[in-house]
Amino acid sequence: RKEVEQDPGPFNVPEGATVAFNCTYSNSASQSFFWYRQDCRKEPKLLMSVYSSGNEDGRFTAQLNRASQYISLLIRDSKLSDSATYLCVVNRRGSTLGRLYFGRGTQLTVWP
Amino acid sequence: NAGVTQTPKFRVLKTGQSMTLLCAQDMNHEYMYWYRQDPGMGLRLIHYSVGEGTTAKGEVPDGYNVSRLKKQNFLLGLESAAPSQTSVYFCASSPQERITDTQYFGPGTRLTVL
Repeated sequence: RKEVEQDPGPFNVPEGATVAFNCTYSNSASQSFFWYRQDCRKEPKLLMSVYSSGNEDGRFTAQLNRASQYISLLIRDSKLSDSATYLCVVNRRGSTLGRLYFGRGTQLTVWP
Repeated sequence: NAGVTQTPKFRVLKTGQSMTLLCAQDMNHEYMYWYRQDPGMGLRLIHYSVGEGTTAKGEVPDGYNVSRLKKQNFLLGLESAAPSQTSVYFCASSPQERITDTQYFGPGTRLTVL
């Protein structure tokens, strides 16, 4: 079973829509959780960390459910510039310190 | 600060040729990583380093070698390139002082092996 599983999409939504991505992780020892964004032909960049209590950064909200080993990312009021691939990423106790496990990404296209 | 830089940006090799990819970071990070990214496969860890003079194997190390002679540089070598090594290669670095520390990526090297 893969360490991190994501629905690859693609998700195609109009501007202004709300869209949610889900991710599951297999190892209960996972401790740190992140969402990265990757634009076409560019490097991945950190979008936001995910905290146990959930956290919000502008139009983006991340949630963590440790019992279900489930992470989500909600994007409100989608913009054309939100079109990208979103990578779910986890780190876990017991692995080599610094080792991150990446999902394959969920592709989002926002259309006008 | 330039962050993480990679050289070259693009390269085309013939099967059997060798080359070295250079990664440099100016953030004084201890940890450095090499990944490859292929369509539908996501990011896969090739090798990593937890400090100057150290290297270790990742998920897909075969056909690659690495060196970390200086803290700021991490080199990835292909001794005899194969078409299966056609990919986009990303370098990353991390301070890794806490488990919550994340990684910072370079812009990538697009390698084609004919």
